[in-house]
Amino acid sequence: GQNIDQPTEMTATEGAIVQINCTYQTSGFNGLFWYQQHAGEAPTFLSYNVLDGLEEKGRFSSFLSRSKGYSYLLLKELQMKDSASYLCAVKDSNYQLIWGAGTKLIIKP
Amino acid sequence: GAVVSQHPSWVICKSGTSVKIECRSLDFQATTMFWYRQFPKQSLMLMATSNEGSKATYEQGVEKDKFLINHASLTLSTLTVTSAHPEDSSFYICSAIYRGHTEAFFGQGTRLTVV
Repeated sequence: GQNIDQPTEMTATEGAIVQINCTYQTSGFNGLFWYQQHAGEAPTFLSYNVLDGLEEKGRFSSFLSRSKGYSYLLLKELQMKDSASYLCAVKDSNYQLIWGAGTKLIIKP
Repeated sequence: GAVVSQHPSWVICKSGTSVKIECRSLDFQATTMFWYRQFPKQSLMLMATSNEGSKATYEQGVEKDKFLINHASLTLSTLTVTSAHPEDSSFYICSAIYRGHTEAFFGQGTRLTVV
């Protein structure tokens, strides 16, 4: 079966750095996405990786290793508004998005 | 980025009634639209995939006679929850993609409460 694993919850301090990991086992791979979702709202796109390596976009970076079935989202200079759930999703061989359960990130002052 | 508008944002209905949720792509023609359901503290669950002019493809376990999906044009898809029951209360989200674009664009979501 297809499976995406990420931690349920993480806590970090304002101004610090946090890394959210995601491991996946899917039938085929056509890219990995990270989305941010605030409570009661729809997800918003953060990043997309299809090749191995690091993609940097401002305070957010995303890394992919296809051989390990592994990705992480790195958030720097954390702000209170970064408190949200972070969803990892993989596009499988049928180009369907398979979603992880999300990691709830709590930022403390 | 592309905009997907979903309406209504929230709705409360009585058990046994039907509710229609609209999903519109405002500035692009959506090749495909997706409907998701999300229960509290759970992941997005794909309900169905909808292509313009053809019947929706439902995921296993989703009753197509209960969740009616119509994709009449390249900019509009509707989800009708028929004979709603309290267990149908959830957050329903649509998303759309268009040819040549990688990411999916999401509507704002609809919070359905059946009483």
